[in-house]
Amino acid sequence: GESVGLHLPTLSVQEGDNSIINCAYSNSASDYFIWYKQESGKGPQFIIDIRSNMDKRQGQRVTVLLNKTVKHLSLQIAATQPGDSAVYFCAENRPAGGTSYGKLTFGQGTILTVHP
Amino acid sequence: DAGVTQSPTHLIKTRGQQVTLRCSPKSGHDTVSWYQQALGQGPQFIFQYYEEEERQRGNFPDRFSGHQFPNYSSELNVNALLLGDSALYLCASSLMGGAYNTEAFFGQGTRLTVV
Repeated sequence: GESVGLHLPTLSVQEGDNSIINCAYSNSASDYFIWYKQESGKGPQFIIDIRSNMDKRQGQRVTVLLNKTVKHLSLQIAATQPGDSAVYFCAENRPAGGTSYGKLTFGQGTILTVHP
Repeated sequence: DAGVTQSPTHLIKTRGQQVTLRCSPKSGHDTVSWYQQALGQGPQFIFQYYEEEERQRGNFPDRFSGHQFPNYSSELNVNALLLGDSALYLCASSLMGGAYNTEAFFGQGTRLTVV
């Protein structure tokens, strides 16, 4: 089947630590990936994306790494803050020409808790 | 610049009833996708509208239907509601272009409870 999944359902860290959230995908045709943050009662918020022609992309305090060989994606958050506490989802978007163009497939999510 | 707006924010319906949810996309976006998010789960794709047509559809029954208007806003209709339809319904807007659909922005969602 097709799926995008996460290795760890929960992650607890201390404020100031670096956090790493992992994601595995199974569809080798996937070539665009997005990380979303969802706080309680809110919709998913875009964090960072990466296309398959890249293996690393950096944003503000966040880095996404893509390993196409093992179909693995990770989100690194530097100097994690209490405000980073949320559920994090990876999502896969498929390229044009496929029957699933524009459809995001989400994983189950990882709950990140940051302790002060 | 308003982001994606959805209405209503909360809704309670009785089993068997019909419901209509509404979404206005982010300014400049022309594509609207709908997702269902059950408690503790990731969002599940329902369908996507572009140029007032349904372009993609997920694994949802025909009870779920939608519409896109010339101003790009969209509606999601669910008929014959079941208890299992209780969920957070999310609307995402994006700009269709080139080989990829651009970054999708999500609204706050409509929390539907079926009793």
